[in-house]
Amino acid sequence: DADVTQTPRNRITKTGKRIMLECSQTKGHDRMYWYRQDPGLGLRLIYYSFDVKDINKGEISDGYSVSRQAQAKFSLSLESAIPNQTALYFCATSDLAGPSGYTDTQYFGPGTRLTVL
Amino acid sequence: GENVEQHPSTLSVQEGDSAVIKCTYSDSASNYFPWYKQELGKRPQLIIDIRSNVGEKKDQRIAVTLNKTAKHFSLHITETQPEDSAVYFCAASEGFKTIFGAGTRLFVKA
Repeated sequence: DADVTQTPRNRITKTGKRIMLECSQTKGHDRMYWYRQDPGLGLRLIYYSFDVKDINKGEISDGYSVSRQAQAKFSLSLESAIPNQTALYFCATSDLAGPSGYTDTQYFGPGTRLTVL
Repeated sequence: GENVEQHPSTLSVQEGDSAVIKCTYSDSASNYFPWYKQELGKRPQLIIDIRSNVGEKKDQRIAVTLNKTAKHFSLHITETQPEDSAVYFCAASEGFKTIFGAGTRLFVKA
C-alpha cells in the first residue's frame, strides 16, 4: 500500500543540538506538510510544500527549516533545539484531485516523538 | 490569523448514546471540511468530509452538517461504541492549507 513514513520514530536530544526529521511517501502526491501536535493545541502547521521548488511557512515556522529533496521526500530541521520544541511531529501529504472531485485530505505519517532535554 | 474553534474539548458518553462535536471557522474562503480520528498512539485518519456545496453528509453511524452562513460544522456519531473512543479533529481548508481544531477527546463508557 502507498504510505507515508517518518524517521526516526522517537528521538531524545539535548538543547542546542541540530536535529533532522525525515519524511518519505509513496502516494505520488505533490503536496507535503509538517505539523506539530501538542496536547490541547491540535495540529499546527510548520511548513508546507506544493512541489519541489515550492516551500511555504506555516503558522509556527520560527526555529524550524525544511528541505524538499524530491517529490517523495520532505525533511524538517531544528537548527538549535530547545525544550519547548518537545512535541509529536507529523508529516502529511495531500492531493487536491481526489476520485470524487476537489479534496485536500491529509494523509499522515506515523509521527516522530521528539524530546529536547 | 485564520482559526478553527472546536467544542467540547472532552466528551464522555454512555455506550449507545449519541455524541456531537461542534466547530466554527473564521476563513470565509474555506470550502472543504474534513474530520479526523486519532486513536491512542496512532496517526490521524480521515473519517468523513464535506464540501461547501453540501449541507449534510452521512456514512453509517457518522454524519456531518455544515452551515456556511454561520461558519459552523458539526460531527454527529450515533449509537456510540467503545471503539469510537479517540481524539477527533475538525479542520477547514481553502485549497492551500488546512487549519485544525484543537481536538475533542471522546470517551465511550461501556
